[in-house]
Amino acid sequence: ETGVTQSPTHLIKTRGQQVTLRCSSQSGHNTVSWYQQALGQGPQFIFQYYREEENGRGNFPPRFSGLQFPNYSSELNVNALELDDSALYLCASSLLETTDTQYFGPGTRLTVL
Amino acid sequence: QKEVEQNSGPLSVPEGAIASLNCTYSDRGSQSFFWYRQYSGKSPELIMFIYSNGDKEDGRFTAQLNKASQYVSLLIRDSQPSDSATYLCAVNYAGGTSYGKLTFGQGTILTVHP
Repeated sequence: ETGVTQSPTHLIKTRGQQVTLRCSSQSGHNTVSWYQQALGQGPQFIFQYYREEENGRGNFPPRFSGLQFPNYSSELNVNALELDDSALYLCASSLLETTDTQYFGPGTRLTVL
Repeated sequence: QKEVEQNSGPLSVPEGAIASLNCTYSDRGSQSFFWYRQYSGKSPELIMFIYSNGDKEDGRFTAQLNKASQYVSLLIRDSQPSDSATYLCAVNYAGGTSYGKLTFGQGTILTVHP
């Protein structure tokens, strides 16, 4: 166990809806990165939050947004859901100042119908 | 476009054999390299990381890095059926705002048969 938790475990939404996914980082970690993993593919970087600020973003549209809170937990919000958003959403925590090693939570499986 | 490529699987080896997993990357500025194992339906689990050229051993696992040739590999000795999983190679193009943002390969499925 990495100490990174995510909720919910599974989620079913319909096209056009909005969804919020949550992540609690490992104790002592101040950085959370979010990844999207489509079936049969490697994870793709969405964005990273460091000390409550976005610290870089991958090739995802603005309807993917996030937040990080003072306790370093994080949210991923996706608006106007599309069928292609169906994937496993992973968050990973790290301590940015000392290492780039990232530890993943169990993920949230999102299905968009 | 920074890319990470892994040898296409699936890779099947008998129990007790050495499994060899390979990965190439496109950006010579890459500084950190990671191997994750992912069981079906689960999240990636860190196996090893390597920063310097050469070999790094941890139990039955050995990571090898060759920056000149831009490849990194993972050897699994005495393979066990429990090693059957998808193995993901990840690269960090560290520096500036790209610090800590991993680029993953598509993964190689390994099957260890008794």
